[in-house]
Amino acid sequence: NAGVTQTPKFQVLKTGQSMTLQCAQDMNHEYMSWYRQDPGMGLRLIHYSVGAGITDQGEVPNGYNVSRSTTEDFPLRLLSAAPSQTSVYFCASSYRAGPFNYGYTFGSGTRLTVV
Amino acid sequence: KQEVTQIPAALSVPEGENLVLNCSFTDSAIYNLQWFRQDPGKGLTSLLLIQSSQREQTSGRLNASLDKSSGRSTLYIAASQPGDSATYLCAVASNDYKLSFGAGTTVTVRA
Repeated sequence: NAGVTQTPKFQVLKTGQSMTLQCAQDMNHEYMSWYRQDPGMGLRLIHYSVGAGITDQGEVPNGYNVSRSTTEDFPLRLLSAAPSQTSVYFCASSYRAGPFNYGYTFGSGTRLTVV
Repeated sequence: KQEVTQIPAALSVPEGENLVLNCSFTDSAIYNLQWFRQDPGKGLTSLLLIQSSQREQTSGRLNASLDKSSGRSTLYIAASQPGDSATYLCAVASNDYKLSFGAGTTVTVRA
């Protein structure tokens, strides 16, 4: 049981390049989300999904796109990388059973540097 | 907007001492509260999850309490060890898809 898998672990991009951060979970979780972690800012929500085919914006969505064609995968696309997108990116998943949400499982993160 | 505050920002204790980490939040309408541990350069590891209807959760040397009405949670770590050195994050879920995080408490346990 792999949990939440993120690739790549490290990436360096030049300003203006595009790329996709991959996230996959094998727990059949319905909820998935992307966060970025910056020093002094904590973790902030970029985009989230409540199920296959359904996505929505979080707090800091500008410059990022997401799609969710399957329950398992939730890729994050950087359209035109900017130095302000240098950060650590975390993907997370969660599920609800009856009245309770059973908490989030996080991936190990992708460290992105934009030069 | 949910605001989550963790106090203190940093804590240094000798091995064997008990740790008390505090988390406060502004909106009491929460689904649950989750405590995470983060080691330098690593991801988030879930420690304890407290549902909104619960008062506390325990796992080994860890105990977390929740007082929803006052907007507070406390994480207790008994008999600290150097391996407990890490940053501890409090996260509040106001719905199924969004967590609001505190800035964390960085703990150093001195041998």
